[in-house]
Amino acid sequence: DTAVSQTPKYLVTQMGNDKSIKCEQNLGHDTMYWYKQDSKKFLKIMFSYNNKELIINETVPNRFSPKSPDKAHLNLHINSLELGDSAVYFCASSRRTYNEQFFGPGTRLTVL
Amino acid sequence: DAKTTQPTSMDCAEGRAANLPCNHSTISGNEYVYWYRQIHSQGPQYIIHGLKNNETNEMASLIITEDRKSSTLILPHATLRDTAVYYCIVSTSGGTSYGKLTFGQGTILTVHP
Repeated sequence: DTAVSQTPKYLVTQMGNDKSIKCEQNLGHDTMYWYKQDSKKFLKIMFSYNNKELIINETVPNRFSPKSPDKAHLNLHINSLELGDSAVYFCASSRRTYNEQFFGPGTRLTVL
Repeated sequence: DAKTTQPTSMDCAEGRAANLPCNHSTISGNEYVYWYRQIHSQGPQYIIHGLKNNETNEMASLIITEDRKSSTLILPHATLRDTAVYYCIVSTSGGTSYGKLTFGQGTILTVHP
């Protein structure tokens, strides 16, 4: 059983489009995260939700909107995609807000 | 969160111990040392963490100096599958950190046959 899953694995789209990435965890964790890894391989946190409540919101353009319908899901919607949004996006989860986080396999987003 | 300094890259022969150092001279009393690794094209993987005492689990051992200003991750018998980028992260556990992990550049460990 996959602990943290993301869909899709690859996403290729045109500038200006709107797209969503989905994340699900079956670990019973109540905290979920979105990270972005750019072309230089730097991994940076974007958002974190605890019990469906936003607790971390780094300096991310408001074109990015996370949504947590329940504790097991954290989706990322991106409006008006730009070239600079091309990256690998990782979802993660943890028990409460602890730092032992389980990461998903990543979604490689390419904006043309 | 305190910053960490790691060597950019290291090599290790298969079957030998891999010792990965990390400096964190500005670590505060309530900050833990966490180690993660990222194998190519995969998501990061939690390895181990510690506060003061040395820790061991099925993956690795973590040795923290008495003054807590540095630590070493030890993979006792490295295999080719241990080739990855290893990240040393200093952070409080939960609380005001809200689980925020700040990844640096890490150490690229290459295990050779």
